[in-house]
Parts: sequence; structure tokens; C-alpha cells
Amino acid sequence: DGGITQSPKYLFRKEGQNVTLSCEQNLNHDAMYWYRQDPGQGLRLIYYSQIVNDFQKGDIAEGYSVSREKKESFPLTVTSAQKNPTAFYLCASSITAPDEKLFFGSGTQLSVL
Amino acid sequence: GEDVEQSLFLSVREGDSSVINCTYTDSSSTYLYWYKQEPGAGLQLLTYIFSNMDMKQDQRLTVLLNKKDKHLSLRIADTQTGDSAIYFCAERRAGSARQLTFGSGTQLTVLP
Repeated sequence: DGGITQSPKYLFRKEGQNVTLSCEQNLNHDAMYWYRQDPGQGLRLIYYSQIVNDFQKGDIAEGYSVSREKKESFPLTVTSAQKNPTAFYLCASSITAPDEKLFFGSGTQLSVL
Repeated sequence: GEDVEQSLFLSVREGDSSVINCTYTDSSSTYLYWYKQEPGAGLQLLTYIFSNMDMKQDQRLTVLLNKKDKHLSLRIADTQTGDSAIYFCAERRAGSARQLTFGSGTQLTVLP
């Protein structure tokens, strides 16, 4: 089955710790995205990547880092510099086309211990 | 403030029609989308409309676009309990390579 897989489903972070959220897609999509979702708010863009080995900051990139070494994979690291990391994180991908339909993973809930 | 605005909550009775509204501010928007999110899950694309269209119908879903007023709506006919979810509208702006701008979502509750 083609799709986007995010892992883990739930993740806990201790103070001062970096954690990495995994996102893998087998849809052969060029573009991948990371969004943060807080209750009662829309999705906010953290980082996006349109091609391998290239990525751009979104609206709320501070305290996060990404890599895009393979087309299929776009991991997100939440660093200790992110002071309010508790949120639901969503990964998405799309082909490069005018109608840019996004396909989403099932999300990772990150909480701080 | 939000570039894309939606009301936060909507309740309807099972079998009635639901209308979820959205306003946006960027007149250069090329495509507008409706996504559905069930609890603890990712977003699922329901339907989308190109900005030169006024209406699009897909089974129980009808999308209306008033480009002059920058108003988008999603009508769900014969609403069922399985339609209970958060519905997000989103816009794609011309010349933007950075995907979509999302509204804050409308929580639809379907009452028996």
C-alpha cells in the first residue's frame, strides 16, 4: 500500500533532550512538509522540502531541524531550543503540480515530561 | 491574524445538511481545498476547487466559491455520525511553492 508513515505515534521528551520524528513515504512524491498542530489552531508550517538535499524554513522553524538525504524520508528533530514542543506533528507529501494535493501521515503526538 | 478564517464549532442533527464556511484574504489563490481530520489522525483531502469555478459537486459534498467575497463553503448533504470531525479549508496562492495556508478548522458534531 502506498502512503506516508509517521513514527512513533506518541513520543515523550525530557527537558534538554533532542528527539527525532520519523516520516517515510512510498508515493514517489518530490515534496515533503512538516506541520505543527495545536488545539483549536490551524496547521503551521515548520519546514518543507521540494527536492532531495534541499529544504526551506516555514513559519515556525526555530527550535527544529530537518534533513532530506533520501526522497522517501524527511525526519524532523525537535531540539532543546524549542521551549514549547508539546503538539501534534503532521508530515505530508505532494507531487509538484498546480493543484498540489497534500497527502498526510497519521501524526505524532509529542509531549514533554 | 489568520489569513484563512473558519468558525470553530458546528452542530447538526443526523440527516440534516451541514454547511461549513471559510473566508480567505488572498485574491491570488488558485486552488481551495477542504480536508477532514478525525480524532488522533492525519488530514484527508475531501475535495478541492479551482478558483475559476463557482461550484463543484462530489456525491454528498458541494463546494461553493464566491471569489468576489473570498468566501468558500462546504455543504454535506444527509449528514451522518461518521461525518463528525474537524474540517479545514486551505488555499494555495499563485506563485507559492510552499504549499497551503490552512484555516483553524471547524469541529462538526453530528447529533443523533
